[in-house]
Amino acid sequence: DAKTTQPTSMDCAEGRAANLPCNHSTISGNEYVYWYRQIHSQGPQYIIHGLKNNETNEMASLIITEDRKSSTLILPHATLRDTAVYYCIVRVNNAGNMLTFGGGTRLMVKP
Amino acid sequence: EADIYQTPRYLVIGTGKKITLECSQTMGHDKMYWYQQDPGMELHLIHYSYGVNSTEKGDLSSESTVSRIRTEHFPLTLESARPSHTSQYLCASSGAGGANVLTFGAGSRLTVL
Repeated sequence: DAKTTQPTSMDCAEGRAANLPCNHSTISGNEYVYWYRQIHSQGPQYIIHGLKNNETNEMASLIITEDRKSSTLILPHATLRDTAVYYCIVRVNNAGNMLTFGGGTRLMVKP
Repeated sequence: EADIYQTPRYLVIGTGKKITLECSQTMGHDKMYWYQQDPGMELHLIHYSYGVNSTEKGDLSSESTVSRIRTEHFPLTLESARPSHTSQYLCASSGAGGANVLTFGAGSRLTVL
């Protein structure tokens, strides 16, 4: 599996965009980028995933660089409720895979 | 809204007791998982199941056992609880449409005295 590198923590002002980076320089061609978040010891919540094209849903946008070696999760208007640990995971999308959660980025949204 | 339910949410129990943490999902998902997480630490996969009568151990060794007799139900059992089992246990499931899109339950926080 491709290893991911994320900053340990980040701050963001409420109402501003939160941009969470993830490096995955050893990603292979059939590996997807997945993002989850975990709010204060609740179960992790799936946010978004993508292969090579940028993706957007009601929660966030995912920007993947052309060489696919890094990606950015964007929360366009962060709220206090977005304070959480955000996990970037790279995996092949098949039934044999078990997700492994690393340390993630602890995002603190401040008023 | 998540359709995966864990009970109990909180359990405080004495050493040596047998406990079962329940996990049920109403989404018809084939794959189910148990993760263990200590406060402020990473999640670790301890058990998973591809379907009925299928169970496998995960990355982290655990003294717990699991069973999958029905698609919707994936209980975790500790035959003799010890203080080292104190942790949060999170159940998840995923369907055929997205093997890596997991839906998690709210978790069961176990404290063994």
